[in-house]
Amino acid sequence: SQKIEQNSEALNIQEGKTATLTCNYTNYSPAYLQWYRQDPGRGPVFLLLIRENEKEKRKERLKVTFDTTLKQSLFHITASQPADSATYLCALEGVDSSYKLIFGSGTRLLVRP
Amino acid sequence: NAGVTQTPKFQVLKTGQSMTLQCAQDMNHEYMSWYRQDPGMGLRLIHYSVGAGITDQGEVPNGYNVSRSTTEDFPLRLLSAAPSQTSVYFCASITGASEAFFGQGTRLTVV
Repeated sequence: SQKIEQNSEALNIQEGKTATLTCNYTNYSPAYLQWYRQDPGRGPVFLLLIRENEKEKRKERLKVTFDTTLKQSLFHITASQPADSATYLCALEGVDSSYKLIFGSGTRLLVRP
Repeated sequence: NAGVTQTPKFQVLKTGQSMTLQCAQDMNHEYMSWYRQDPGMGLRLIHYSVGAGITDQGEVPNGYNVSRSTTEDFPLRLLSAAPSQTSVYFCASITGASEAFFGQGTRLTVV
């Protein structure tokens, strides 16, 4: 069955360091992969989208990579700040499932001052 | 421009009761979805719609109905509430570029 896996353990890092979060998937052929941020008690907020034919995407301090051979995406936050503390979700949209987004369970990031 | 508006924010139901969770968007998006979020399970797709009059089932549709009579509104109906439906429900409106905008969520407790 299709599966999206994100590390369920919280990632705890020092302010200023680079945070790297992982999203792995199986039995899936995604056309797009997206990353969202979710704060407690709020809905997810879109951050970045990367297409299957793109290796890397950047937006300010954020960088996403997408390796369809490894079936993995890495999400990096450089020069992390305490305000970056949140849960980060990855989502896939299949080549045959337009606009039907399937989400991973998310990884909580804690950035210590 | 309010984005995606969900009502109510909180609701307590007794087992067997029915109710409708409301979702409205003012961005003229064709695509809308309903998700539930449970601890450790992430967001699970309940139902989705690709336009007015067109809906389809997601991963966990049992016990829920939807309809889409207008582009703006996408209500989710619980037919006979069960404790297993205790969850946080999110409605999403999705752009043509596949970016999803979420509402603030409805926290539902079924006792």
